Amino acid sequence: QQPVQSPQAVILREGEDAVINCSSSKALYSVHWYRQKHGEAPVFLMILLKGGEQKGHEKISASFNEKKQQSSLYLTASQLSYSGTYFCGTGLIQGAQKLVFGQGTRLTINP
Amino acid sequence: NAGVTQTPKFRILKIGQSMTLQCTQDMNHNYMYWYRQDPGMGLKLIYYSVGAGITDKGEVPNGYNVSRSTTEDFPLRLELAAPSQTSVYFCASSYSMAAGDNEQFFGPGTRLTVL
Repeated sequence: QQPVQSPQAVILREGEDAVINCSSSKALYSVHWYRQKHGEAPVFLMILLKGGEQKGHEKISASFNEKKQQSSLYLTASQLSYSGTYFCGTGLIQGAQKLVFGQGTRLTINP
Repeated sequence: NAGVTQTPKFRILKIGQSMTLQCTQDMNHNYMYWYRQDPGMGLKLIYYSVGAGITDKGEVPNGYNVSRSTTEDFPLRLELAAPSQTSVYFCASSYSMAAGDNEQFFGPGTRLTVL
């Protein structure tokens, strides 16, 4: 079943913070985050695993709440380059995973 | 390394025509995937392969076929194209399918319109 992302779209000014959520009705083992700029291919950001730690690099980090079956992506002090559509992909098992992707969250950063 | 390459970039088909979307990767990945992305939507898995000669269905396989004769190539075949197959098609590959080790690398996509 497809995970649900919220919000569907968000518009920020440069320097503001954003949080994107990804929720599933099923027990998750992993959550992947990808960013896709308009007209381009999705690009991998990070993977979070059940029982793992919060991850992040530079000003983009993510957490995984196993009790809620939810992951959140945090973008702090957003830059113009952060604009794009963010997708979460969920995996249910530890072994061979076929990811199921959410519908995406469109993030627009204005100067 | 070119990564994952796809051809063509754009294609317009008439209803009932057939075509093959090509995908090649040079990272020696065993795992390859085909997704479709409809406007404003997420990615839907069509087919995937765990190695040469081995393929399996994803969420939306109807109307498509795949083959995997080499590690590098994973073509997607559309038979009897229908307007519902109008979409952007992405090929991807990964080193593994195991959780935590399955970062996927995507090709640039093929934009297909069926009229």
